[in-house]
Amino acid sequence: GENVEQHPSTLSVQEGDSAVIKCTYSDSASNYFPWYKQELGKRPQLIIDIRSNVGEKKDQRIAVTLNKTAKHFSLHITETQPEDSAVYFCADADDMRFGAGTRLTVKP
Amino acid sequence: DGGITQSPKYLFRKEGQNVTLSCEQNLNHDAMYWYRQDPGQGLRLIYYSQIVNDFQKGDIAEGYSVSREKKESFPLTVTSAQKNPTAFYLCATKRDGAYEQYFGPGTRLTVT
Repeated sequence: GENVEQHPSTLSVQEGDSAVIKCTYSDSASNYFPWYKQELGKRPQLIIDIRSNVGEKKDQRIAVTLNKTAKHFSLHITETQPEDSAVYFCADADDMRFGAGTRLTVKP
Repeated sequence: DGGITQSPKYLFRKEGQNVTLSCEQNLNHDAMYWYRQDPGQGLRLIYYSQIVNDFQKGDIAEGYSVSREKKESFPLTVTSAQKNPTAFYLCATKRDGAYEQYFGPGTRLTVT
């Protein structure tokens, strides 16, 4: 089946630094790529998404880039804060497949 | 997200017993989904339903069954055939024609 690969699995940064998480997908027909933030024991919450008709989308400190040719997309968090600490998941929503997650820790 | 309820939040069962997890929504969304999440892993699709009285298997449907008799409800039964049922189960919904999925609060099932 089609897979979504996500890297890194863990990421530790200092408060104020940037964090980048990358995902690759297999299905060239896919068009919608959401990113979710999940805190311990809670439901995933959509934080940003991108559709294949754009290459980049930004929402305050969060941005997502998409390279359809290379079939990869990335989450960028700038000026990280301790409350950004969580597990982040990417997804190929058309295929209903998720990456394995990245545990982000932001150290004060 | 407040329009999706999963009950109970924690569920404990003995090995060999079937158990049914509830998912109810008042969002009037057509599509509903069941995912399983294991520690340190992403979500894996068990079953999904795009319309009442119809559902499809996901990647890991073995040992599970579902029904969709009403638009609002999509219960998941974990049968004794499921080898490793202990996990966090998430239900999600999506409006027809939209992209975004909305997740319920989840049920943590422990089978001993």
